[in-house]
Amino acid sequence: EIVMTQSPATLSVSPGERATLSCRASQSVNSNLAWYQQKPGQGPRLLIYGASTRATGIPARFSGSGSGTDFTLTISSLQSEDFAVYYCQQYNNWLTFGGGTKVEIK
Amino acid sequence: QVQMVQSGAEVKTPGASVKVSCKASGYTFINSYIHWVRQAPGQGLEWMGIIHPSGGSTTYAQKFQGRVTMTRDTSTSTVYMELSSLSSEDTAVYYCARGHVATSMAADHWGQGTLVTVSP
Repeated sequence: EIVMTQSPATLSVSPGERATLSCRASQSVNSNLAWYQQKPGQGPRLLIYGASTRATGIPARFSGSGSGTDFTLTISSLQSEDFAVYYCQQYNNWLTFGGGTKVEIK
Repeated sequence: QVQMVQSGAEVKTPGASVKVSCKASGYTFINSYIHWVRQAPGQGLEWMGIIHPSGGSTTYAQKFQGRVTMTRDTSTSTVYMELSSLSSEDTAVYYCARGHVATSMAADHWGQGTLVTVSP
């Protein structure tokens, strides 16, 4: 099973600042990686697939990069609605999720 | 618009089984995979398996093989996930989610979740 490790576990950021979230795979997943946002009491929302392609309706401030084993989700200027938990998910070899990064207000 | 509507919360005793339904609408049901993912209280996401509604083919995560069954009813555009031999560790919110059109293994529309509580 491919293990996905996200860092940091918690990220404290001020509104308007840039947030950078990391995700590392235990073996190469090529570009078969997605990012999700989850708010309390809600299901996840797909942000990025194919490591860097924004899903329909996702604002341009969200961007994904990386391939192989190291990936990054960047939120260029945090808005109030962006404070949430973010998960990466590989789908190169079935599916596994990372443990999540909580983005909180600094 | 695409909607995935799940059945309501369940309370089960250890050893019992639970069957959760997920009714899809707003797209052609047989064209997209449907995933099942669960989330224990305060924990992360765990993939359970996938079903293709067209032929009913399934793949289950190794952890759940032998204990989970996913089925579908094309006449009502509904998929079902049954989990047997429940223990307290199965207490979680269970989600169904549609596989993305471009890459089936990412999930682009999620149900509201179904809380399953396993308690003596």
